[in-house]
Amino acid sequence: QIQLVQSGPELKKPGESVKISCKASGYTFTDYAMHWVKQAPGKGLKWMGWINTYTGKPTYADDFKGRFVFSLEASASTANLQISNLKNEDTATYFCAKGAAISPFAYWGQGTLVTVSS
Amino acid sequence: DIQMTQSPSVLSASVGDRVTLNCKASQNINKYLNWYQQKLGEAPKLLIYNTNNLQTGIPSRFSGSGSGTDFTLTISSLQPEDFATYFCFQHNSWPYTFGAGTKLELK
Repeated sequence: QIQLVQSGPELKKPGESVKISCKASGYTFTDYAMHWVKQAPGKGLKWMGWINTYTGKPTYADDFKGRFVFSLEASASTANLQISNLKNEDTATYFCAKGAAISPFAYWGQGTLVTVSS
Repeated sequence: DIQMTQSPSVLSASVGDRVTLNCKASQNINKYLNWYQQKLGEAPKLLIYNTNNLQTGIPSRFSGSGSGTDFTLTISSLQPEDFATYFCFQHNSWPYTFGAGTKLELK
């Protein structure tokens, strides 16, 4: 069965960096895009962008250009999200979600809580 | 960017009720509208994709309709496990956008 398993919660200080992983199983990793979604505490969902898992080319939503980097370890069927120069407003749960032609975003990781606090 | 407006923001209902949740897009998104259910501390769960297609494993009391800019999610007979927050989501054009959610609470 298709599963996306994300890395565990992180506690960071402002200015630090964090890298979140999303390991996929149950399908051919390079056949489908991987998307990233942010959810601040008690708030709604915000699409951050996606990465082409075949070519490695990332696409970022405007609010996530600059400090955010999507990357792959394709041999390990893993997508990564790195956030640099962390700010308090980056405190959120970050989800990966599998793309698809017919029913996109049907499969999600369990979420990774990143807390930024001095 | 396409704005997704959900209404109501909070809906109070009882077990067995039929409820309708609304989602309005600021421009035409064709059929590319998904509905998700989210419970506290969990990832969103896909209920309906592309307006009216029931995701595998989702009970048939959930249904979706609409086109263009106006969409609805209907739950025909609320069950205790249905009390949660529901989000609509457009994947017609980048940036993809979510509605702010409707919280379905027990009356």
